[in-house]
Amino acid sequence: QQQVKQSPQSLIVQKGGISIINCAYENTAFDYFPWYQQFPGKGPALLIAIRPDVSEKKEGRFTISFNKSAKQFSLHIMDSQPGDSATYFCAASWRNSGYALNFGKGTSLLVTP
Amino acid sequence: EPEVTQTPSHQVTQMGQEVILRCVPISNHLYFYWYRQILGQKVEFLVSFYNNEISEKSEIFDDQFSVERPDGSNFTLKIRSTKLEDSAMYFCASSGGREGDYNEQFFGPGTRLTVL
Repeated sequence: QQQVKQSPQSLIVQKGGISIINCAYENTAFDYFPWYQQFPGKGPALLIAIRPDVSEKKEGRFTISFNKSAKQFSLHIMDSQPGDSATYFCAASWRNSGYALNFGKGTSLLVTP
Repeated sequence: EPEVTQTPSHQVTQMGQEVILRCVPISNHLYFYWYRQILGQKVEFLVSFYNNEISEKSEIFDDQFSVERPDGSNFTLKIRSTKLEDSAMYFCASSGGREGDYNEQFFGPGTRLTVL
């Protein structure tokens, strides 16, 4: 059973555009929702995270929108740059499961010049 | 900036052999994790470790796997008898220098395990 579903699988955006990646989760016990960025051959790097008591969190060009009733959250990358080209993973966890991260399948983002 | 380190970066082994993957978590962190990523697929949770015992483990983490914190700095994953399907990138992560930070997991660069 896939606990976190992510879409799209791949995304091509022009430089300066907005990249939007969506995730949906099933387990209402999840209480932490991070996004990770991964470059080829590297480990996932924590980008930004949100808890379910807020609907939006912004850090620089990166924004998470969270909809608790719909059990969905999304990552928006404003003014996308070629250096943002990477694979992005959403994830979810809850403290009573040893903080185990349940990852989505990932979105391969390509920002064209 | 503190970081998680892993050794070796690449391990090649024969099917049926034992392997030990090593990790040095961030020094003041209290939770330690192992994840794996089969090529082109998502990252999968294997096990979390806290206070010198397993906190949670997934279905993947069967009797062939074990973890250990042999000293104050290292955290190891042992696979007793490797199978072809164990070929993957294995990531160590750590979190929790203080309460409230336990969620923020920082990943190492990974060890690529190739089973022949």
